[in-house]
Amino acid sequence: EAEVAQSPRYKITEKSQAVAFWCDPISGHATLYWYRQILGQGPELLVQFQDESVVDDSQLPKDRFSAERLKGVDSTLKIQPAELGDSAMYLCASSPGLQETQYFGPGTRLLVL
Amino acid sequence: GIQVEQSPPDLILQEGANSTLRCNFSDSVNNLQWFHQNPWGQLINLFYIPSGTKQNGRLSATTVATERYSLLYISSSQTTDSGVYFCAVSPHSGANSKLTFGKGITLSVRP
Repeated sequence: EAEVAQSPRYKITEKSQAVAFWCDPISGHATLYWYRQILGQGPELLVQFQDESVVDDSQLPKDRFSAERLKGVDSTLKIQPAELGDSAMYLCASSPGLQETQYFGPGTRLLVL
Repeated sequence: GIQVEQSPPDLILQEGANSTLRCNFSDSVNNLQWFHQNPWGQLINLFYIPSGTKQNGRLSATTVATERYSLLYISSSQTTDSGVYFCAVSPHSGANSKLTFGKGITLSVRP
């Protein structure tokens, strides 16, 4: 069964450093999502892509976060500079199209020291 | 935005018992999914169920869209069912299809 791939699985960094996360969605899925999950809470959307276009990035802290999906396939989420409050699980999900089942990857657990 | 409330917040069961988890939402939805988050943090998709009833083994789910709630039933619970169960919805309105998650239900199944 096809799965969403994410790397790295764990990342420890110091504040003010740059970090990057990678996501490879299920083949053929046009819609890609990045969510952030703080411990004890449900995930919240950071950014949504439809193919290579951003559909919603209203909750993305654009002063330090950036996301791209250049060829409409895999995607990179970057944080620069990282802050202590960025410690969380970063989850990538994909779906065949809008309003269809979303499938989640294993996530990247980030710890900022 | 749409509100999602899950109840109860915590649930402790003896192995073999049955349980019902509830999700209330504040607006009509195009998408409703139930997830199980395992101890490693991965969200496992259980059901895509914006309306109707579905069953998968010991799990079943029912969404009554007109009354804005969904129920997840777990029968003959096993210790491996332990974890956090999330309900997530995407409203009819709006151009995007982001999921809004509830706060989750923490289930502990004791042997």
